Amino acid sequence: DVKVTQSSRYLVKRTGEKVFLECVQDMDHENMFWYRQDPGLGLRLIYFSYDVKMKEKGDIPEGYSVSREKKERFSLILESASTNQTSMYLCASISPGQGRYEQYFGPGTRLTVT
Amino acid sequence: AQTVTQSQPEMSVQEAETVTLSCTYDTSENNYYLFWYKQPPSRQMILVIRQEAYKQQNATENRFSVNFQKAAKSFSLKISDSQLGDTAMYFCAFYGGGSNYKLTFGKGTLLTVNP
Repeated sequence: DVKVTQSSRYLVKRTGEKVFLECVQDMDHENMFWYRQDPGLGLRLIYFSYDVKMKEKGDIPEGYSVSREKKERFSLILESASTNQTSMYLCASISPGQGRYEQYFGPGTRLTVT
Repeated sequence: AQTVTQSQPEMSVQEAETVTLSCTYDTSENNYYLFWYKQPPSRQMILVIRQEAYKQQNATENRFSVNFQKAAKSFSLKISDSQLGDTAMYFCAFYGGGSNYKLTFGKGTLLTVNP
C-alpha cells in the first residue's frame, strides 16, 4: 500500500513565524502536491512538483514556497505565517506510470496561526 | 479550465437506506477521469471509486456505484445500504489529461448517516 505521511497532525504557530510542513511518500512517486482545505472551498492546489527540484505554482501559491530535494520528500514553507493561513494542509502523490491517475493523500496537518 | 460542481453541501440518510450525491463538471476534453474521494472525520482522504470517460459502463465498488452521463457531464455517486462508517465528506474530482496530473476538486458534500 502507498503510504503518504505528514510530519504533524496539529501545529500552532505565531504570526510571522517561518513554518515548515513536511510530506514523505514511500512509493517512489514522481509527482507530489500540496493543497489547503477550507470549509466551503474544497481543496485548492498550492504547489506541485513533478521531479526533484522541479516545482510549479498551483492556484493559490501566494505566501507559500516549496522544496523538493529528494524524490520522496516534498516540503511546504510558509515564509511568514499569517492568520489567513490557518487551514488544513493536505499532501498527495501520484505515479502516472500506473495509468490510474488517482492521488494518494496524507493524513493532513491542521495549522493554526495565532 | 475545468470546473467541478457539487450542489449539495450537506446531506443526511438513515442507516441501511440509499443516497445519491451529485457532481457535474465542465470540460472540453474527450478523454478524462473522474473520481469520488471520501474523507471521514479526522481521518485520511481515500479513493472510493474512479471512472474513465471512454468506458460506457458505470464503475461499481461494492456498495458504491456511479451514474456517469458523459453527454450531460454528470457523475453522481450512489451509496447503497448506508452504514454509519459512511459518514464523511465526499469530494468529486476530475483529471483531464496533461503532464501535470492535477486534479480539480468540487467543494465537497458532507454526508451524515443517522442510526
